[in-house]
Amino acid sequence: EVQLLESGGGLVQPGGSLRLSCAASGLTFSSCAMSWFRQAPGKGLEWVSSITGSGGSTYYADSVKGRFTISRDSSKSTMYLQMNSLRVEDTAVYYCAAEPRDRPIYYLDYWGQGTLVTVSS
Amino acid sequence: EIVLTQSPATLSLSPGERATLSCRASQSISTDLAWYQQKPGQAPRLLIYTASSRFTGIPARFSGSGSGTDFTLTISTLEPEDFAVYYCLQRGKPRFGPGTKVDIK
Repeated sequence: EVQLLESGGGLVQPGGSLRLSCAASGLTFSSCAMSWFRQAPGKGLEWVSSITGSGGSTYYADSVKGRFTISRDSSKSTMYLQMNSLRVEDTAVYYCAAEPRDRPIYYLDYWGQGTLVTVSS
Repeated sequence: EIVLTQSPATLSLSPGERATLSCRASQSISTDLAWYQQKPGQAPRLLIYTASSRFTGIPARFSGSGSGTDFTLTISTLEPEDFAVYYCLQRGKPRFGPGTKVDIK
């Protein structure tokens, strides 16, 4: 059974940093493109960032480019999202998702249950 | 920048009825469209990819159609577990539509 487990969410002040993790099991991690999405309270879904299975290419939404960094560690089957210069508008539930191909095409077979990030003073 | 619009925003129906959800793209996206279902407190679930292909394990009552700029998700006979929010997603630089909430009449 495939499981994606996010962690690292919490309360942070504006301008602060947080690192999210997504631990994967039950899939061939290095063969899967991985992505982060988010959903602000009561709002719709927003793509944040993606990384290829090989880790060689990364992609970012304009709203987070230059502030967030996606990475992965195949030895730990874990993906990360380093979030710096956080803003109030980054408050959301962050989901990780996986698809069984090297390059993301956003037909996402697997999702985690999400971790809440709250940016507030 | 391609923008997706979904209609209606809310669809109030009874179990057993047919649901027809629309997604329109601001420019042609061929068939590069997926549909996701999301229930309260849960992660999204992939239903349809490439506009009309049903994902593994998705019941046959869900079907997708369309190409270019106009797409439709049809639920032929609503089951109680189908009441949820439905999002369309265009590939490329991925962007979701605003969603259609299917609630119980």
